[in-house]
Amino acid sequence: GENVGLHLPTLSVQEGDNSIINCAYSNSASDYFIWYKQESGKGPQFIIDIRSNMDKRQGQRVTVLLNKTVKHLSLQIAATQPGDSAVYFCAERPGGGGNKLTFGTGTQLKVEL
Amino acid sequence: ETGVTQTPRHLVMGMTNKKSLKCEQHLGHNAMYWYKQSAKKPLELMFVYNFKEQTENNSVPSRFSPECPNSSHLFLHLHTLQPEDSALYLCASSQDLAGAYEQYFGPGTRLTVT
Repeated sequence: GENVGLHLPTLSVQEGDNSIINCAYSNSASDYFIWYKQESGKGPQFIIDIRSNMDKRQGQRVTVLLNKTVKHLSLQIAATQPGDSAVYFCAERPGGGGNKLTFGTGTQLKVEL
Repeated sequence: ETGVTQTPRHLVMGMTNKKSLKCEQHLGHNAMYWYKQSAKKPLELMFVYNFKEQTENNSVPSRFSPECPNSSHLFLHLHTLQPEDSALYLCASSQDLAGAYEQYFGPGTRLTVT
């Protein structure tokens, strides 16, 4: 399953399928990006990050892709599991010093059995 | 567990009450943050501290008063709040502000103002 922008807040996928969550960021000078996962009743949990000098970074079952030309970030989750159900949101660091992050509104991922 | 703890986890207070939220990080970090998370809105940065010094106040009303006695502890003192202040208040920490580092979040305090 794939969402096509921040205007679709919910993404439903079947267990075992791959998920793609998209994020359009606003600042072309942003140099660092993070994906967070937030489960109900918990704080955001770091998933993976990527710096602007990279296009792709892989973790365990997750891949982040960065397209600076169109200011687009995506999170791919392979073989989605019920435990992946959560809200996912991206964050960007505008650059120029400091560690201030700007966060997106998030996408609710629902994994159907 | 992220190494960042927050107490209390839930708080209900009247508009005339005074209460405090506490955050503690066990990661050896030097920067700490307070965020407000309201339903269907992005995380809103409130305050940033680096090496105990406040570096950012994101136009937060004075009824919210932060305190950072050392790099491991951060407080948010609350007084005469409004119902619209009801939200999840999240604390986070990072290595410092000199580079780009991930921020580690606590579980949050769910605040309800009646």
